[in-house]
Amino acid sequence: EIVLTQSPGTLSLSPGERATLSCRASQSVGSSYLAWYQQKPGQAPKLFIYGASSRATGIPDRFSGSGSGTDFTLTISRLEPEDFAVYYCQQYGSSPGTFGQGTRVDIK
Amino acid sequence: EVQLVESGGGLVQPGGSLRLSCSTSGFSFSTYAMHWVRQAPGKGLEYVSGISNNGGSTYYADSLKGRLTISRDKSKSTLYLQMNSLKIEDTAVYYCVKGGPKLVTTPSDYWGQGTVVTVSS
Repeated sequence: EIVLTQSPGTLSLSPGERATLSCRASQSVGSSYLAWYQQKPGQAPKLFIYGASSRATGIPDRFSGSGSGTDFTLTISRLEPEDFAVYYCQQYGSSPGTFGQGTRVDIK
Repeated sequence: EVQLVESGGGLVQPGGSLRLSCSTSGFSFSTYAMHWVRQAPGKGLEYVSGISNNGGSTYYADSLKGRLTISRDKSKSTLYLQMNSLKIEDTAVYYCVKGGPKLVTTPSDYWGQGTVVTVSS
C-alpha cells in the first residue's frame, strides 16, 4: 500500500500568513489521484482539493494544490480565522485509499 | 442535498459484533462507490473498507480483513458494515463516505457525521 507522510505535523501561523503543507508518497500516485481534506474539531472531514489541484465546490481560491508523482503541496495563500484546522491528504489511485497522518494548522 | 446518516454504533465488549448502517439520500446511490473510514480518539483517518457501485467489488484494510463485511442495499439506498470479533483498538468514529463512480481513481466528496463505536469490557 502507498504510505503518505505529511509535514510538518503542526504549523503555527497568524491570520494573513501563507501556509504550505506537504504530502509525500512512498510511491508514485498515478495520474495525481491525490485529495486534501479539512477537518475541524467534532466535525467530519470535508473535501477541499482533488486531482492534486482541483478545488472542490465552494472552496475559496486562497486554497491551491500542486504536485505530481510523489510530492504534493497544499497552499493557503492568506490564512483566514476559519482555516485553522487539521488537513489530511489521501491518495485514491489504488486500494486502500490511504491517508496521511495530518497537519494541524493552529493560531500562533 | 446529499445526506449520509450513520447508525448502529455503541458500546460492545471485546469479541462482540456490530452492524453499522448508512442511510443515504440526495444522489443516485447505485451510481457511486461507497466507503467506510474510521478515526480513533485523537488520531488520524484510517481507510476501512469500500464497495463498488454495484456491489461486485469490495476492499478491506489488511488490519481488518476477515472481520468485516461491507454490503449495500440498492432498494434502501443504504450501506452496511458488519464488524465481528471486535477489539479494543477498533474503538473509533466510523464515517460513511460517498465515493465516485469507481471504487478507486475517483475522490470521496461527501462524509456522514459518523457513528461512535466503543469496544470495552
